Amino acid sequence: QKEVEQDPGPLSVPEGAIVSLNCTYSNSAFQYFMWYRQYSRKGPELLMYTYSSGNKEDGRFTAQVDKSSKYISLFIRDSQPSDSATYLCAMTRGNAGGTSYGKLTFGQGTILTVHP
Amino acid sequence: KAGVTQTPRYLIKTRGQQVTLSCSPISGHRSVSWYQQTPGQGLQFLFEYFSETQRNKGNFPGRFSGRQFSNSRSEMNVSTLELGDSALYLCASSFGQGNTEAFFGQGTRLTVV
Repeated sequence: QKEVEQDPGPLSVPEGAIVSLNCTYSNSAFQYFMWYRQYSRKGPELLMYTYSSGNKEDGRFTAQVDKSSKYISLFIRDSQPSDSATYLCAMTRGNAGGTSYGKLTFGQGTILTVHP
Repeated sequence: KAGVTQTPRYLIKTRGQQVTLSCSPISGHRSVSWYQQTPGQGLQFLFEYFSETQRNKGNFPGRFSGRQFSNSRSEMNVSTLELGDSALYLCASSFGQGNTEAFFGQGTRLTVV
């Protein structure tokens, strides 16, 4: 069983829809959670990161972390065709002092298509 | 501000050869990590360097190695290439040790024939 599970999709939605992307994980030591967007033939681009449980909002993007359920989500509001990409969740261990450790563990990525 | 630069962008090598990939991190970043991305396995961690020292290593055979220079630039080397080494190799840089905010380069696409 993989440490991080992510539904690969593909997910196809109409422009303007709210998109929900999710990951589950098994390692309770994970403290830092990230979402990356990867366009075809490009490197991953960091969208958001959160520490421990809670919500974080940045423009049309909202990241949620529920450590009790070992479940993280990324919501995209008012989705645009330019949001079409692969979305990767990633996570890493950390300590109470707020220092993360190396080695990001990634989900498989969800392929998202937003059609006009 | 320049991003993470990886060279070359594309490589074709023959089985048994060796290859060296290069990564220049964002100016001021001291941590460099390497990842292998394949359709079947996704993104897998290779190793992390900070201040010229390897701090973390993933579960890859010893044919995969790396180093970091005093200017934080990093290289990774793969010896005795196998067909299964064909992948996108990604470098990520971050300011300090650990990958809280890791920024990726465009990657080097390696094809082994």
